[in-house]
Amino acid sequence: ETGVTQTPRHLVMGMTNKKSLKCEQHLGHNAMYWYKQSAKKPLELMFVYSLEERVENNSVPSRFSPECPNSSHLFLHLHTLQPEDSALYLCASSPGQGAFTEAFFGQGTRLTVV
Amino acid sequence: QKEVEQDPGPLSVPEGAIVSLNCTYSNSAFQYFMWYRQYSRKGPELLMYTYSSGNKEDGRFTAQVDKSSKYISLFIRDSQPSDSATYLCAMSEVSGGYQKVTFGTGTKLQVIP
Repeated sequence: ETGVTQTPRHLVMGMTNKKSLKCEQHLGHNAMYWYKQSAKKPLELMFVYSLEERVENNSVPSRFSPECPNSSHLFLHLHTLQPEDSALYLCASSPGQGAFTEAFFGQGTRLTVV
Repeated sequence: QKEVEQDPGPLSVPEGAIVSLNCTYSNSAFQYFMWYRQYSRKGPELLMYTYSSGNKEDGRFTAQVDKSSKYISLFIRDSQPSDSATYLCAMSEVSGGYQKVTFGTGTKLQVIP
Protein backbone atom coordinates (compact mmCIF):
# COMPACT_ATOMS: atom_id res chain seq x y z
CA GLU A 1 0.00 0.00 0.00
CA THR A 2 1.30 3.43 -0.90
CA GLY A 3 -0.76 5.32 1.65
CA VAL A 4 -3.02 6.72 -1.06
CA THR A 5 -6.30 4.86 -1.44
CA GLN A 6 -8.71 5.33 -4.31
CA THR A 7 -12.27 4.05 -4.58
CA PRO A 8 -13.85 2.58 -6.54
CA ARG A 9 -11.17 0.64 -8.44
CA HIS A 10 -13.47 0.19 -11.43
CA LEU A 11 -16.46 2.22 -12.57
CA VAL A 12 -18.77 1.87 -15.54
CA MET A 13 -21.18 4.72 -16.07
CA GLY A 14 -23.58 5.95 -18.67
CA MET A 15 -23.25 9.37 -20.23
CA THR A 16 -26.17 10.74 -18.22
CA ASN A 17 -25.02 9.41 -14.84
CA LYS A 18 -23.45 11.29 -11.97
CA LYS A 19 -20.75 9.57 -9.98
CA SER A 20 -17.84 10.50 -7.73
CA LEU A 21 -14.30 9.20 -7.36
CA LYS A 22 -12.76 9.26 -3.92
CA CYS A 23 -9.15 9.57 -2.83
CA GLU A 24 -7.78 9.37 0.68
CA GLN A 25 -4.21 9.80 1.86
CA HIS A 26 -2.80 8.92 5.27
CA LEU A 27 0.65 10.39 4.73
CA GLY A 28 0.13 13.82 6.22
CA HIS A 29 0.72 15.46 2.85
CA ASN A 30 -0.42 18.96 1.98
CA ALA A 31 -0.86 18.66 -1.78
CA MET A 32 -3.18 16.38 -3.72
CA TYR A 33 -3.57 15.85 -7.44
CA TRP A 34 -5.88 14.29 -10.01
CA TYR A 35 -4.29 12.85 -13.15
CA LYS A 36 -5.85 11.22 -16.20
CA GLN A 37 -3.99 8.34 -17.87
CA SER A 38 -5.12 7.29 -21.33
CA ALA A 39 -3.53 4.63 -23.53
CA LYS A 40 -0.45 5.84 -25.40
CA LYS A 41 -0.70 9.32 -23.86
CA PRO A 42 1.29 10.94 -21.05
CA LEU A 43 -0.29 11.39 -17.66
CA GLU A 44 -2.35 14.54 -17.84
CA LEU A 45 -2.53 16.73 -14.77
CA MET A 46 -6.14 17.75 -14.16
CA PHE A 47 -6.26 19.46 -10.79
CA VAL A 48 -3.90 20.40 -7.98
CA TYR A 49 -4.87 21.26 -4.43
CA SER A 50 -2.38 22.71 -1.99
CA LEU A 51 -3.51 23.09 1.61
CA GLU A 52 -7.08 22.43 0.42
CA GLU A 53 -7.00 25.31 -2.06
CA ARG A 54 -7.14 24.66 -5.77
CA VAL A 55 -3.98 26.05 -7.31
CA GLU A 56 -4.11 24.57 -10.79
CA ASN A 57 -6.83 23.63 -13.22
CA ASN A 58 -5.43 22.59 -16.55
CA SER A 59 -8.41 23.63 -18.66
CA VAL A 60 -10.40 20.57 -17.69
CA PRO A 61 -14.01 20.40 -18.96
CA SER A 62 -16.63 21.41 -16.43
CA ARG A 63 -18.12 17.91 -16.45
CA PHE A 64 -15.24 17.12 -14.06
CA SER A 65 -15.62 18.87 -10.71
CA PRO A 66 -13.05 18.42 -7.93
CA GLU A 67 -13.62 18.82 -4.24
CA CYS A 68 -11.08 18.87 -1.42
CA PRO A 69 -12.88 19.07 1.92
CA ASN A 70 -9.69 18.56 3.95
CA SER A 71 -6.04 17.73 3.40
CA SER A 72 -6.68 13.97 3.56
CA HIS A 73 -9.54 13.67 1.10
CA LEU A 74 -10.04 14.50 -2.54
CA PHE A 75 -13.05 13.85 -4.72
CA LEU A 76 -13.69 14.04 -8.44
CA HIS A 77 -17.36 14.50 -9.26
CA LEU A 78 -18.37 13.31 -12.70
CA HIS A 79 -21.48 14.18 -14.71
CA THR A 80 -22.57 13.88 -18.34
CA LEU A 81 -19.27 12.34 -19.38
CA GLN A 82 -18.30 11.37 -22.91
CA PRO A 83 -16.89 8.03 -24.09
CA GLU A 84 -13.50 9.70 -24.65
CA ASP A 85 -13.37 10.34 -20.90
CA SER A 86 -12.82 6.60 -20.38
CA ALA A 87 -9.38 6.29 -18.80
CA LEU A 88 -7.48 5.50 -15.62
CA TYR A 89 -7.89 8.33 -13.11
CA LEU A 90 -5.02 8.57 -10.68
CA CYS A 91 -4.88 10.48 -7.44
CA ALA A 92 -1.54 11.49 -5.97
CA SER A 93 -0.31 13.34 -2.92
CA SER A 94 2.96 14.99 -2.01
CA PRO A 95 4.36 16.73 1.05
CA GLY A 96 3.66 20.04 -0.65
CA GLN A 97 5.69 22.96 -1.77
CA GLY A 98 9.41 22.83 -1.97
CA ALA A 99 12.28 22.18 -4.28
CA PHE A 100 11.47 18.54 -4.84
CA THR A 101 8.70 16.51 -3.34
CA GLU A 102 7.91 12.94 -4.27
CA ALA A 103 4.39 12.26 -5.45
CA PHE A 104 2.74 9.11 -4.13
CA PHE A 105 0.07 7.65 -6.38
CA GLY A 106 -2.98 5.59 -5.63
CA GLN A 107 -3.85 2.53 -7.71
CA GLY A 108 -6.31 4.47 -9.80
CA THR A 109 -9.95 4.17 -10.81
CA ARG A 110 -10.52 2.55 -14.19
CA LEU A 111 -13.45 4.49 -15.64
CA THR A 112 -15.48 3.30 -18.61
CA VAL A 113 -18.14 5.60 -20.06
CA VAL A 114 -20.76 3.80 -22.13
CA GLN B 1 6.66 19.55 -30.37
CA LYS B 2 5.78 17.72 -27.17
CA GLU B 3 7.53 18.92 -24.03
CA VAL B 4 8.68 15.37 -23.24
CA GLU B 5 9.23 12.65 -25.82
CA GLN B 6 9.55 9.00 -24.84
CA ASP B 7 9.72 5.94 -27.05
CA PRO B 8 6.62 3.92 -26.12
CA GLY B 9 8.17 0.56 -27.02
CA PRO B 10 7.20 -2.10 -26.19
CA LEU B 11 10.67 -3.35 -25.37
CA SER B 12 11.27 -7.06 -24.86
CA VAL B 13 14.62 -8.32 -23.53
CA PRO B 14 15.99 -11.60 -22.12
CA GLU B 15 16.69 -11.87 -18.42
CA GLY B 16 20.13 -10.52 -17.53
CA ALA B 17 20.22 -8.00 -20.37
CA ILE B 18 21.12 -4.33 -19.95
CA VAL B 19 18.14 -2.12 -20.66
CA SER B 20 18.36 1.48 -21.82
CA LEU B 21 15.31 3.75 -21.61
CA ASN B 22 15.43 7.30 -22.90
CA CYS B 23 13.55 10.60 -22.99
CA THR B 24 14.16 13.93 -24.61
CA TYR B 25 12.65 17.23 -23.57
CA SER B 26 12.36 20.77 -24.83
CA ASN B 27 11.64 22.88 -21.73
CA SER B 28 14.84 24.38 -20.31
CA ALA B 29 13.00 25.29 -17.09
CA PHE B 30 12.83 21.67 -15.96
CA GLN B 31 14.86 21.26 -12.80
CA TYR B 32 14.23 17.72 -11.56
CA PHE B 33 14.27 14.57 -13.63
CA MET B 34 12.51 11.46 -12.46
CA TRP B 35 11.81 7.89 -13.43
CA TYR B 36 8.61 6.23 -12.30
CA ARG B 37 7.79 2.55 -12.59
CA GLN B 38 4.20 1.42 -13.09
CA TYR B 39 3.19 -2.19 -12.75
CA SER B 40 0.01 -3.39 -14.40
CA ARG B 41 -3.12 -2.26 -12.51
CA LYS B 42 -1.04 -0.12 -10.15
CA GLY B 43 -0.22 3.56 -9.84
CA PRO B 44 3.24 4.85 -10.74
CA GLU B 45 5.93 4.74 -8.04
CA LEU B 46 9.06 6.84 -7.95
CA LEU B 47 12.19 4.91 -8.85
CA MET B 48 14.84 7.64 -8.91
CA TYR B 49 15.24 11.35 -9.31
CA THR B 50 18.15 13.62 -10.19
CA TYR B 51 18.71 17.33 -10.16
CA SER B 52 21.84 18.04 -12.11
CA SER B 53 23.55 16.62 -15.16
CA GLY B 54 25.48 13.44 -14.52
CA ASN B 55 24.83 9.95 -13.27
CA LYS B 56 23.05 8.62 -10.21
CA GLU B 57 23.20 4.98 -9.28
CA ASP B 58 20.89 2.91 -7.09
CA GLY B 59 21.57 -0.80 -7.14
CA ARG B 60 20.97 -2.11 -10.65
CA PHE B 61 19.53 1.21 -11.80
CA THR B 62 21.46 4.20 -13.14
CA ALA B 63 19.83 7.49 -14.09
CA GLN B 64 21.68 9.78 -16.43
CA VAL B 65 20.90 13.40 -17.26
CA ASP B 66 22.48 15.51 -20.00
CA LYS B 67 21.00 18.99 -19.72
CA SER B 68 23.00 20.33 -22.65
CA SER B 69 21.38 17.79 -24.97
CA LYS B 70 18.06 17.76 -23.06
CA TYR B 71 18.29 14.01 -22.83
CA ILE B 72 17.78 11.62 -19.92
CA SER B 73 18.29 7.89 -19.65
CA LEU B 74 17.61 5.04 -17.27
CA PHE B 75 19.84 1.96 -17.41
CA ILE B 76 18.86 -1.32 -15.82
CA ARG B 77 21.65 -3.85 -15.36
CA ASP B 78 21.07 -7.59 -14.99
CA SER B 79 17.39 -7.14 -15.78
CA GLN B 80 14.95 -9.41 -13.98
CA PRO B 81 11.42 -10.58 -14.85
CA SER B 82 10.24 -8.48 -11.88
CA ASP B 83 11.45 -5.39 -13.77
CA SER B 84 8.66 -5.95 -16.32
CA ALA B 85 6.58 -2.80 -16.07
CA THR B 86 5.98 0.53 -17.77
CA TYR B 87 8.69 3.10 -17.09
CA LEU B 88 7.67 6.76 -17.15
CA CYS B 89 10.13 9.59 -17.35
CA ALA B 90 9.01 12.79 -15.68
CA MET B 91 10.40 16.28 -15.32
CA SER B 92 9.42 19.08 -13.04
CA GLU B 93 9.65 22.80 -12.59
CA VAL B 94 8.46 24.93 -9.72
CA SER B 95 5.52 27.00 -10.92
CA GLY B 96 3.14 29.06 -8.80
CA GLY B 97 4.76 27.78 -5.62
CA TYR B 98 4.31 24.10 -6.32
CA GLN B 99 6.08 21.46 -8.34
CA LYS B 100 4.57 21.00 -11.80
CA VAL B 101 5.43 17.59 -13.25
CA THR B 102 5.30 16.66 -16.94
CA PHE B 103 5.34 12.98 -17.83
CA GLY B 104 6.42 11.05 -20.88
CA THR B 105 4.10 8.48 -22.45
CA GLY B 106 5.92 5.57 -20.79
CA THR B 107 7.92 2.65 -22.21
CA LYS B 108 6.54 -0.82 -21.63
CA LEU B 109 9.33 -3.26 -20.75
CA GLN B 110 9.07 -7.03 -20.70
CA VAL B 111 11.95 -9.11 -19.33
CA ILE B 112 11.69 -12.69 -20.51
CA PRO B 113 12.99 -15.44 -18.19
